[in-house]
Amino acid sequence: NAGVMQNPRHLVRRRGQEARLRCSPMKGHSHVYWYRQLPEEGLKFMVYLQKENIIDESGMPKERFSAEFPKEGPSILRIQQVVRGDSAAYFCASSPAQGGGPQETQYFGPGTRLLVL
Amino acid sequence: AQRVTQPEKLLSVFKGAPVELKCNYSYSGSPELFWYVQYSRQRLQLLLRHISRESIKGFTADLNKGETSFHLKKPFAQEEDSAMYYCALSGGNTGKLIFGQGTTLQVKP
Repeated sequence: NAGVMQNPRHLVRRRGQEARLRCSPMKGHSHVYWYRQLPEEGLKFMVYLQKENIIDESGMPKERFSAEFPKEGPSILRIQQVVRGDSAAYFCASSPAQGGGPQETQYFGPGTRLLVL
Repeated sequence: AQRVTQPEKLLSVFKGAPVELKCNYSYSGSPELFWYVQYSRQRLQLLLRHISRESIKGFTADLNKGETSFHLKKPFAQEEDSAMYYCALSGGNTGKLIFGQGTTLQVKP
């Protein structure tokens, strides 16, 4: 079972461009979480999704950021009109559908490092 | 407010010395506490969770509700324990994790 996959691993964008970050959860996992880690800080929760549903987006900035987890394919975190302050590491985690539901262990991907020039 | 505090950014010890990584939390309810570890060039992985009350790689952590702490301990540090350690809290019904700032553990030979 391959672990959580994220791509690209590194992404460079100029101010005003769009950034698309992809996350493929582990096989059999239908819960996806996105976290952001700014330089010198801990990981901060952004959004929690299940297939085709956003369950909790309390950590998402109000503008320019959106996330989806379609029925088929990876989860996508989309940042429109990027600014320098969006430079960070973005981590995705997945947990299984069975068992305790959202309290199950979260398995993390390697992260995407976004650099905005 | 829900918060996790790891007061030490860096903890440096010699091999064989005891280790204690501090974690304090703020949560109005019954939280679930975790320790995650990130070894060099590897992804973040779960080390242990308080409900399982198990020892992993010689590490233990006890939840102290009176002091709102969940310190990570190991009696004899090994060089391979050198890594970044994050304390995290899960509350509510969505499972989202609230992380501390992390502590880098450096075990010197």
